[in-house]
Amino acid sequence: GAVVSQHPSWVICKSGTSVKIECRSLDFQATTMFWYRQFPKQSLMLMATSNEGSKATYEQGVEKDKFLINHASLTLSTLTVTSAHPEDSSFYICSARDPGLHYEQYFGPGTRLTVT
Amino acid sequence: GQNIDQPTEMTATEGAIVQINCTYQTSGFNGLFWYQQHAGEAPTFLSYNVLDGLEEKGRFSSFLSRSKGYSYLLLKELQMKDSASYLCAVRRTDSWGKLQFGAGTQVVVTP
Repeated sequence: GAVVSQHPSWVICKSGTSVKIECRSLDFQATTMFWYRQFPKQSLMLMATSNEGSKATYEQGVEKDKFLINHASLTLSTLTVTSAHPEDSSFYICSARDPGLHYEQYFGPGTRLTVT
Repeated sequence: GQNIDQPTEMTATEGAIVQINCTYQTSGFNGLFWYQQHAGEAPTFLSYNVLDGLEEKGRFSSFLSRSKGYSYLLLKELQMKDSASYLCAVRRTDSWGKLQFGAGTQVVVTP
């Protein structure tokens, strides 16, 4: 199956700093990628849809100025958490949609963010 | 919007069968997915249904009834490694393939 990678797999940062998370599709070109957030023992909550070459579309309640998304190429999308606070500590997961397969999204391994 | 409901937790014995139900309410339905997620890991794809009926894949089967807004995931011959959260997700036609996830069902397999 297709492979999606995320980097870093975990990060600890201080409150007020910014953190960038990368999501890469390794063996296919993904025109659309998605970013999710998951708090402990809760389900995945879609944050935004990232389309290559255009602005991301954010879900209701997600601050676009705080969670900056850039999808500069067909294999890379980045999520930058700006001015991070402890409440931003969460498990961030990206997924990429393979246009060659009409139904499947492939998930990255996730990034555990801890803000101290 | 859409509501996706599934039980919070289910417990079953190794070797047994467990059925996880998922009900949904949505407009523009374009497929239902089941994912398995172990703690601290990303979800892994299990099954996809877009037409009514049963899809079988090894020990896992998934069923869909679009008229009833209902799906189930059937896990047979349970193994300890099947202890995980199982997520039901619905895709709509008016999105870029966005998935809306249910809260997940935690399956606990006991010896």
